[in-house]
Amino acid sequence: QSALTQPASVSGSPGQSITISCTGTSSDVGGYNYVSWYQQHPGKAPKLMIYEVSNRPSGVPDRFSGSKSGNTASLTISGLQAEDEADYYCSSYTSSSTWVFGGGTKLTVL
Amino acid sequence: EVQLVESGGGLVQPGGSLRLSCAASGFTFSSYDMHWVRQATGKGLEWVSAIGTAGDTYYPGSVKGRFTISRENAKNSLYLQMNSLRAGDTAVYYCARGAHGAIGDWGQGTLVTVSS
Repeated sequence: QSALTQPASVSGSPGQSITISCTGTSSDVGGYNYVSWYQQHPGKAPKLMIYEVSNRPSGVPDRFSGSKSGNTASLTISGLQAEDEADYYCSSYTSSSTWVFGGGTKLTVL
Repeated sequence: EVQLVESGGGLVQPGGSLRLSCAASGFTFSSYDMHWVRQATGKGLEWVSAIGTAGDTYYPGSVKGRFTISRENAKNSLYLQMNSLRAGDTAVYYCARGAHGAIGDWGQGTLVTVSS
């Protein structure tokens, strides 16, 4: 199972919006609504930000939103804040009854 | 509060074995799928294994046949038996709770180093 494809890096200024893409195949992202997104600050454990494509766990700001079209999922962060600077990973359930992560995207808040 | 505390990491020689443990608290352990996820230094996340509430197990090709995930509900504990370890298995290993088809709560991780 190949890793999902994410851009290596994205950047934005405070207050702006950014979108991170996550491309898979019909055997993972396109085939299931079990796409999730994780935020990881340096030296910390990952934190679930989005599950089932577009749902936010309690406590996650509504500035974070998720969507999916075909084999590509997206994470959008609106009203960027300095604390959003982190690595972001997407993940999907697959037709092999396994999970696969994306390679990760480093978000820089300028 | 959900707590997941990993233990058992350390230095092991190539070809050796190691058993990781994860002590869970703050939730009904037997009702949740559980996962192991690893991360090599400076690299991305890699899913390692999962176990369902019925004891069904799942692995990616990279560890299948070498790693075994298990759970002991009476002790609220998750395990990962790792055999035939390779340098490429060097990573921080996270224990995590599954929910809604995602990996919800994570432990702080335990470092496994495979080196001679």
